[in-house]
Amino acid sequence: AQKVTQAQTEISVVEKEDVTLDCVYETRDTTYYLFWYKQPPSGELVFLIRRNSFDEQNEISGRYSWNFQKSTSSFNFTITASQVVDSAVYFCALSDLEYGNKLVFGAGTILRVKS
Amino acid sequence: GEEVAQTPKHLVRGEGQKAKLYCAPIKGHSYVFWYQQVLKNEFKFLISFQNENVFDETGMPKERFSAKCLPNSPCSLEIQATKLEDSAVYFCASSQTGDPPLHFGNGTRLTVT
Repeated sequence: AQKVTQAQTEISVVEKEDVTLDCVYETRDTTYYLFWYKQPPSGELVFLIRRNSFDEQNEISGRYSWNFQKSTSSFNFTITASQVVDSAVYFCALSDLEYGNKLVFGAGTILRVKS
Repeated sequence: GEEVAQTPKHLVRGEGQKAKLYCAPIKGHSYVFWYQQVLKNEFKFLISFQNENVFDETGMPKERFSAKCLPNSPCSLEIQATKLEDSAVYFCASSQTGDPPLHFGNGTRLTVT
């Protein structure tokens, strides 16, 4: 069965520090998608990125970067020079092809950025 | 529309009352997914639809919970005789055929008192 593990329950950093959020997944599919979502205190789910299993190129978007490594089944997310506005819960998710590509979520990592 | 629209934003029900939540998928999307997020942040998949047909209901509680997606109407998730443990935020997402969902609605916060 599909599984996503976010081992870090909570991380606290001081503003301007870099922080990496870990995500490890399990799947029997050869084709799948990986996602990261941000859930700020206001509660909505903000889509950050989707990666296809065939595309292992790392991605950078401003202060955000993602490291996808199929060999270790990991899809880690790094925030460079963190800001207070980055404080949120971050979820990693994996698509389940057998079930219409529904998403299987990790338990989330609470990120607290202090000024 | 270009976004998933969920109504109402907040819903308060006394234990035993019925609750009905609505989700309007993005226009042209044929798949709808419902998730429940309880206080510990965990997302639980409930049910998905392909057009008006149930596609996957493996996460749906067999009692009290039902859902529909009818043509030309928002999809709905109904909880009969709510219990305290049903208090959660219910999220809806939609996608085109073959794609996983990207965007979620803003959720409906259900509080059962």
